[in-house]
Amino acid sequence: AQSVAQPEDQVNVAEGNPLTVKCTYSVSGNPYLFWYVQYPNRGLQFLLKYITGDNLVKGSYGFEAEFNKSQTSFHLKKPSALVSDSALYFCAVRGTLDTGRRALTFGSGTRLQVQP
Amino acid sequence: SAVISQKPSRDICQRGTSLTIQCQVDSQVTMMFWYRQQPGQSLTLIATANQGSEATYESGFVIDKFPISRPNLTFSTLTVSNMSPEDSSIYLCSVTSRQGASDTQYFGPGTRLTVL
Repeated sequence: AQSVAQPEDQVNVAEGNPLTVKCTYSVSGNPYLFWYVQYPNRGLQFLLKYITGDNLVKGSYGFEAEFNKSQTSFHLKKPSALVSDSALYFCAVRGTLDTGRRALTFGSGTRLQVQP
Repeated sequence: SAVISQKPSRDICQRGTSLTIQCQVDSQVTMMFWYRQQPGQSLTLIATANQGSEATYESGFVIDKFPISRPNLTFSTLTVSNMSPEDSSIYLCSVTSRQGASDTQYFGPGTRLTVL
């Protein structure tokens, strides 16, 4: 079975400061890891993914995420937050050995609030 | 990336009625999924829509309540049958699309359903 934990319901950060949104996972085999963002009344937008290779993955809108196998984490980061980054962020996972389940499993979501 | 459209974008329905949601993709895709996002919650997979065969349902979801069609590689429908207020959710269509050496899952804009 695969699972994702996002321990923070909400993260507050001031504009211009760095932000981190936390994610830990559990899968069978190696993980495929994803981050998505959901703006109000919108569907999910793909931000970035980790499949293999470099532990630091760069994605859309200046976001990046760091894969840490020993800590089973995939935290989302941005060096300088913008007010327009305020949204709901979802971490998702699929394991390479989770045969028969090709869909992603999502975390509970973290609401990011960037204050001007 | 795949471009996904859903119809309707939102609807308000009466208890006991049914609603069919359409999902159209701009390219042929192998995997199509239907998710539900209840108010303030994360995404829960309802089923995988298989082309040419019955959908594969997740635990807690049954075909009688959520019949799915997948007549070809670009289109699927999800019907929410005999609706109750507990079915009020956002319903999201999702597809996997090949990006380089790996698949990425993309989402439609969602259908916001309110059941009175």
